[in-house]
Amino acid sequence: KAGVTQTPRYLIKTRGQQVTLSCSPISGHRSVSWYQQTPGQGLQFLFEYFSETQRNKGNFPGRFSGRQFSNSRSEMNVSTLELGDSALYLCASSLATWTVSYEQYFGPGTRLTVT
Amino acid sequence: QKEVEQNSGPLSVPEGAIASLNCTYSDRGSQSFFWYRQYSGKSPELIMSIYSNGDKEDGRFTAQLNKASQYVSLLIRDSQPSDSATYLCAVNLYDAGGTSYGKLTFGQGTILTVHP
Repeated sequence: KAGVTQTPRYLIKTRGQQVTLSCSPISGHRSVSWYQQTPGQGLQFLFEYFSETQRNKGNFPGRFSGRQFSNSRSEMNVSTLELGDSALYLCASSLATWTVSYEQYFGPGTRLTVT
Repeated sequence: QKEVEQNSGPLSVPEGAIASLNCTYSDRGSQSFFWYRQYSGKSPELIMSIYSNGDKEDGRFTAQLNKASQYVSLLIRDSQPSDSATYLCAVNLYDAGGTSYGKLTFGQGTILTVHP
C-alpha cells in the first residue's frame, strides 16, 4: 500500500503571499490531520478532517485553513504569510471512524520557508 | 505544566544496551498512546501504539502504560546505532469538550544517541 504523500516537498514564499499544501492519505483512510513542526514549538496540531468535515481545530489563527475532498485528499491553506510560518508542515492519515481514533501515519512533510 | 512531557535528553547509550524513554501526561481520559521515531530531516515514523495498561512488545521495543500514574515508557533492547533519533511520545488527549478527533499532543522529544 502506498504511504501518505504530500506536495510540494519544498516551498519558498514571500511575506504576505498565500500558499496551498496538498496531502493524499493512505488508501482507505478517511481521516487527515495536519501538524506544524518548528524547532521552538515542536509538533503542534492544526486541524483534522474526516469525511469532508472539520472535526477538530488547534489554536492557530484563522489564516490557517483546510479542506478535504470526497476522495479524502486534503489541502491546507495559509494566507498572508508571516516569517513565523516557516516550518515543516506534516499531514497524517488514520483509519479512524466517527467515534474512534487510531494510529496516525505521517507523510514526508512540506518544508515551507517564508522570506 | 505541559500536557505531555518527556524525560530530558539527550540520552546516550552504548550499542547493545537498553535505552529507556519516559513520558508523563495530563489526565483527561486519554485512551491512546503512541511512540514515534524521527530521524533528522525526516517525518515521524510510528513505532509503537498502546491502548491499555501493561506492557506491549514488538521486536526490540516494549511500550509500558500505567494510566493510574499517567505514565508511558518505551524500552529499546539491544540498542543499535541505527536507533539514534529523536523519540516522540504522543497522546490522544481529550479537550474540554470531551473530544479528541484526530488530535495528537506531542512531547518535546528525547534525542537518543547509540554509540558503537
